[in-house]
Amino acid sequence: SAVISQKPSRDICQRGTSLTIQCQVDSQVTMMFWYRQQPGQSLTLIATANQGSEATYESGFVIDKFPISRPNLTFSTLTVSNMSPEDSSIYLCSVYRPENTGELFFGEGSRLTVL
Amino acid sequence: KQEVTQIPAALSVPEGENLVLNCSFTDSAIYNLQWFRQDPGKGLTSLLLIQSSQREQTSGRLNASLDKSSGRSTLYIAASQPGDSATYLCAVSPSGNDYKLSFGAGTTVTVRA
Repeated sequence: SAVISQKPSRDICQRGTSLTIQCQVDSQVTMMFWYRQQPGQSLTLIATANQGSEATYESGFVIDKFPISRPNLTFSTLTVSNMSPEDSSIYLCSVYRPENTGELFFGEGSRLTVL
Repeated sequence: KQEVTQIPAALSVPEGENLVLNCSFTDSAIYNLQWFRQDPGKGLTSLLLIQSSQREQTSGRLNASLDKSSGRSTLYIAASQPGDSATYLCAVSPSGNDYKLSFGAGTTVTVRA
């Protein structure tokens, strides 16, 4: 298994502000994945974070709105910028263990509410 | 494009009854299938991973089967308990080097005491 810590676990934010979510993994991984789960919906992949290179974004997600950092092999951040109520979601960090299409493990999620 | 469907969307059973959750997918060229549990407002917990070459996996009261040719997987939970109340999601991994999983919308289970 994998131990994945996310901070904050939840937050209430004002429209127009930005919030950075942190994800820490208990061992080194090449790729870290950020997902979004909107209320009542299933999961949608936002981007794949690779250490030492730009994140790869999925269709419908852009770097200006969701900038990602990956400073080392155990840590990543996702920023949700210029938030609107439509950004109210659970944001989840995940990794494969073992890597190369093994089993996917998730953090506890960060539940954001934008007023 | 892979589409994953879970039926029913919600299920309520009395304690002790066996649970049967269904997952279907449109493209049978998958690498593996994974079942998750999600408690309200929380992250996902991995329950079972079935590789495409396998037909089933078991862990305690949980058993998951996979029929790749028909595009179906079933999660069985024996002797349900109130603590089993949660949303159960299935996800399929495409073959090759594509790491993007396709998730179903989930089945929300309530086990009544």
